[in-house]
Amino acid sequence: SYELTQPPSVSVSPGQTASITCSGDELGSKFICWYQQRPGLSPMLVIYQDNKRPSGISERFSGSNSGNTATLTISGTQAMDEADYYCQAWDWNTAVFGGGTKLTVL
Amino acid sequence: QLQLQESGPGLVKTSETLSLTCSVSGGSISSTYHYWGWIRQPPGRGLEWIGNINYSGNTYYNPSLKSRVKILADMSKNHFSLTMTSLTAADTAVYYCARFGRCSEGSCYTTKGWFDPWGQGTLVTVSS
Repeated sequence: SYELTQPPSVSVSPGQTASITCSGDELGSKFICWYQQRPGLSPMLVIYQDNKRPSGISERFSGSNSGNTATLTISGTQAMDEADYYCQAWDWNTAVFGGGTKLTVL
Repeated sequence: QLQLQESGPGLVKTSETLSLTCSVSGGSISSTYHYWGWIRQPPGRGLEWIGNINYSGNTYYNPSLKSRVKILADMSKNHFSLTMTSLTAADTAVYYCARFGRCSEGSCYTTKGWFDPWGQGTLVTVSS
């Protein structure tokens, strides 16, 4: 079965840029989505189709996807960005999620 | 504003069947631009897709759960449901329903889409 691999944790200082990666075989040929899940809350879509932002999502969130790696970039990281982030793609007719990355804003 | 609300039992016995309903307000589940899905999250762990249903009642399931899962839609009540059989402790999780977006810039996809928004989730505990 298809797998998406994320680093378990990423740390960033306030105001700096955070990068969260998601790796999978030929991932660049698939559309990737990213979800933010704050503690105790439901996941929220922050990026879809590799690099599109839903309405209401800050411009500080951006995405890219090429080769075997997709990246979620958060610029000017704020305390409110501290959360778990999950990537998601489709392999044939199956939705696959990455294991999640805990972003800590130190 | 579209809202989704899961409902169902919080506690189910091992080997029994789980039934959950997702009530949708602020939009119609008969829309051709969206499908509707179920995703679950065991406590302290990651997300797992269960399956989707579309406006025609066509369903798409995670192969790992397909033999135990059924998703149905009731257009008259604007809700869709999840049934999962032969439950074990491994099925203990928060169960979310979500709208599946599949159309962008003039193109629509059966897969390749995204889940937005999500319901608040409902915790289901499986215990003997």
